[in-house]
Amino acid sequence: DTGVSQDPRHKITKRGQNVTFRCDPISEHNRLYWYRQTLGQGPEFLTYFQNEAQLEKSRLLSDRFSAERPKGSFSTLEIQRTEQGDSAMYLCATRRSNTEAFFGQGTRLTVV
Amino acid sequence: LAKTTQPISMDSYEGQEVNITCSHNNIATNDYITWYQQFPSQGPRFIIQGYKTKVTNEVASLFIPADRKSSTLSLPRVSLSDTAVYYCLVGAITGFQKLVFGTGTRLLVSP
Repeated sequence: DTGVSQDPRHKITKRGQNVTFRCDPISEHNRLYWYRQTLGQGPEFLTYFQNEAQLEKSRLLSDRFSAERPKGSFSTLEIQRTEQGDSAMYLCATRRSNTEAFFGQGTRLTVV
Repeated sequence: LAKTTQPISMDSYEGQEVNITCSHNNIATNDYITWYQQFPSQGPRFIIQGYKTKVTNEVASLFIPADRKSSTLSLPRVSLSDTAVYYCLVGAITGFQKLVFGTGTRLLVSP
């Protein structure tokens, strides 16, 4: 257990539905990242928060994706109108400045 | 961000030393080299980080030559539980610090 908590661990949803994932970071970690990982590939960067500010978004993050970190603590990642191509493991990572990143165990999304 | 190249897969036996080499020809002056380990259905886990020469911790050693264009992760006396994917990343540890993962090296340790 790294101290980064993600919920749920698994989510099965029908195509077209909205889903929301939550990440609870280690308490003193001000930087929070979301990644997506498909089978056989390394994690791909989606977005980054420093405290409550979303400072960078990948081009992978289409307009169906939105992420928030309202009080600089937990973060949510929402996918609207899910598609089968959204099926993947969604990983959250957090860190303090100039230290290593700690990853959660991820949320595995299956869109049927 | 510097691109890295690693072998796609490696095989080893229990008790052997495993060396995984990563090439990063375009590493920048302020880039560090970091290795992560990932087991199936889990998030990556930090192993070791270094800037130059040699770094050792309780899990692994990291060897970085003077030109820093490559690095070698050394796992002493591997066990079955070291079967995992190992990722080499390069990047600054200050500022934004986005981690850019490649496809990693799949290490299979057999009895």
